[in-house]
Amino acid sequence: GIQVEQSPPDLILQEGANSTLRCNFSDSVNNLQWFHQNPWGQLINLFYIPSGTKQNGRLSATTVATERYSLLYISSSQTTDSGVYFCAGGKNFGNEKLTFGTGTRLTIIP
Amino acid sequence: DARVTQTPRHKVTEMGQEVTMRCQPILGHNTVFWYRQTMMQGLELLAYFRNRAPLDDSGMPKDRFSAEMPDATLATLKIQPSEPRDSAVYFCASGLVSGQGAGEQYFGPGTRLTVT
Repeated sequence: GIQVEQSPPDLILQEGANSTLRCNFSDSVNNLQWFHQNPWGQLINLFYIPSGTKQNGRLSATTVATERYSLLYISSSQTTDSGVYFCAGGKNFGNEKLTFGTGTRLTIIP
Repeated sequence: DARVTQTPRHKVTEMGQEVTMRCQPILGHNTVFWYRQTMMQGLELLAYFRNRAPLDDSGMPKDRFSAEMPDATLATLKIQPSEPRDSAVYFCASGLVSGQGAGEQYFGPGTRLTVT
């Protein structure tokens, strides 16, 4: 199956800092999502981004499908950004299950 | 505001007891997934359905776990008998598979199961 590697595993930043989270895949995927798991455990959809670049407020994501990686950018971090960020990928058409990475734990210090 | 709902949100039970978790997918979605999250294994897929038919349950211990979709608005995950190693958070997710592909999955709030 697909292997998903996320880096860094942990990140501690001061409020206002910017960060880049990375996700590498062992195989090509055509279904890729980024999630934020908040301190209450809820998995919140951030981006559905099998390719290209998307932006949503202070967050943006870029996927380079040919090189099997995706990046999540967080600008001007806020304490509410703390939590664990997961990327997940999968094949399409007949095998829709997602394989999750182990996550990046982000802690934003006031 | 369409969302996936799960019940119960928390469950504490004794080893050997039967546990049933329920999920209501987003109306109109045709795929339903069950995931389990533990500290050791992270998030892993247990089973998934498309149009109520089971497509993949290879991640599920079949001797004690079973997953069903009695109708399009209800998915169930049952553990019988439960064991302490089943303690985890169980997430249900739903999505829409169309001619364009799998699309986005949306997760419910999870059921936190503790087996003592």
